[in-house]
Amino acid sequence: SQQGEEDPQALSIQEGENATMNCSYKTSINNLQWYRQNSGRGLVHLILIRSNEREKHSGRLRVTLDTSKKSSSLLITASRAADTASYFCATGGGSNYKLTFGKGTLLTVNP
Amino acid sequence: DGGITQSPKYLFRKEGQNVTLSCEQNLNHDAMYWYRQDPGQGLRLIYYSQIVNDFQKGDIAEGYSVSREKKESFPLTVTSAQKNPTAFYLCACTGGNYEQYFGPGTRLTVT
Repeated sequence: SQQGEEDPQALSIQEGENATMNCSYKTSINNLQWYRQNSGRGLVHLILIRSNEREKHSGRLRVTLDTSKKSSSLLITASRAADTASYFCATGGGSNYKLTFGKGTLLTVNP
Repeated sequence: DGGITQSPKYLFRKEGQNVTLSCEQNLNHDAMYWYRQDPGQGLRLIYYSQIVNDFQKGDIAEGYSVSREKKESFPLTVTSAQKNPTAFYLCACTGGNYEQYFGPGTRLTVT
């Protein structure tokens, strides 16, 4: 079953603008991660935020987590054409390190 | 050069034939996973293995089989019992920090 649901399904912006993607989930989690997938390729891990953290930064990425609302957001600042990809959130909670992925947001950054 | 590889990149089979997808990693990670991705969809877990000679069904295991005879290898067989096998298949592994490392994927087309 897919626990994470990203919003919006697709987002188109101009280079230099910020992009915000949201993720909602249903059950309690140990951590939430964001991954990026270029068309036809494997996923690449971007950032992990633990359930006891509220915000995390990595370069141009900023992730927030609100466990009371069971939601997370990924902000990409000063976007570039090379940021064009699908972005997935994934939640983890068990000792078996399984992740449950959402359906993703397709981000298109126009030059 | 550490990583996780999948072969082949593209695979074509006739309906009714079994086919085996390869996944190899040299990251010395214990846990390995197989996912299926359909167009515009997220990842769905087929099987996972936390240790050699042990594996567990994921959410959509019917019509698939796996083996884990070596730590570095986790092949997936798509059997003729899988009703809709055409998809993009992704293999991943993790060393226990929840972050998953993905292979480049195998696109299987069954006609």
